Amino acid sequence: SAVISQKPSRDICQRGTSLTIQCQVDSQVTMMFWYRQQPGQSLTLIATANQGSEATYESGFVIDKFPISRPNLTFSTLTVSNMSPEDSSIYLCSVTLGTGPTDTQYFGPGTRLTVL
Amino acid sequence: KQEVTQIPAALSVPEGENLVLNCSFTDSAIYNLQWFRQDPGKGLTSLLLIQSSQREQTSGRLNASLDKSSGRSTLYIAASQPGDSATYLCAVTNSGYSTLTFGKGTMLLVSP
Repeated sequence: SAVISQKPSRDICQRGTSLTIQCQVDSQVTMMFWYRQQPGQSLTLIATANQGSEATYESGFVIDKFPISRPNLTFSTLTVSNMSPEDSSIYLCSVTLGTGPTDTQYFGPGTRLTVL
Repeated sequence: KQEVTQIPAALSVPEGENLVLNCSFTDSAIYNLQWFRQDPGKGLTSLLLIQSSQREQTSGRLNASLDKSSGRSTLYIAASQPGDSATYLCAVTNSGYSTLTFGKGTMLLVSP
C-alpha cells in the first residue's frame, strides 16, 4: 500500500492569488496524478506527473493555470494560479502501485480550497 | 469518451438494511473497475477492485459485481451500519491506462 500526505489540508484564498499544494508519498512511484473535485461533481483528472519530464495535462487544463513540479519519485506540487471562485474545489493527488489489472490507486486526503 | 453514472445520488437507510448501489459506464472496454469510499477530510479509500475478466469481488460485508457487456456494476452492502455512512464512488480504468474516470458518487447515510 501507499501512504500519501498533502499540505495544506485546507485553505481560504483571495481571488487573483496562487496556492501551491504539496503531495508526499511514502514510496517511490513513477506516476503521480492530480485530480479536482468541484462541489457536487465527480473527480476529474487534471494532469499526470512523471518524474523527469513535463506533466501531461487533460483536456481543459493548461500548464499556465496548473503548473506542476515533480522533483523526485516521492514528491509533487500542484499550483493553482490566478485563482477565481470557480477554482474552489478539493484537490487530490494519487498514485498507482503496480502495472497490471490489479493495480490499486491510492489517494491523499485532499486539499479543500475556497476562493473568495 | 468514457462516462460513469451512479444511481442513486443519495440514499438514507436504517441500520441493518441490505442495500445496493448502482454504477453504469458507457465504454465497455475497461481494464478494471474500482469502488471507493470517500470520507470528509480523509480522501478516498479503495474498497474493491474488479478486473475486466472477473464477475465479482467480495470483502467482508461488501460484494461488487461487474457485467462488462452491459456496462454495469453494483455494490452490495449487507447489514448496513452507521459507520458505513460515506460517499461511495465508482471508477473505471480504460484499457492500459492508469487514469480513472469517476462517477459523481452515492452519498449514503445509515441511521442508528
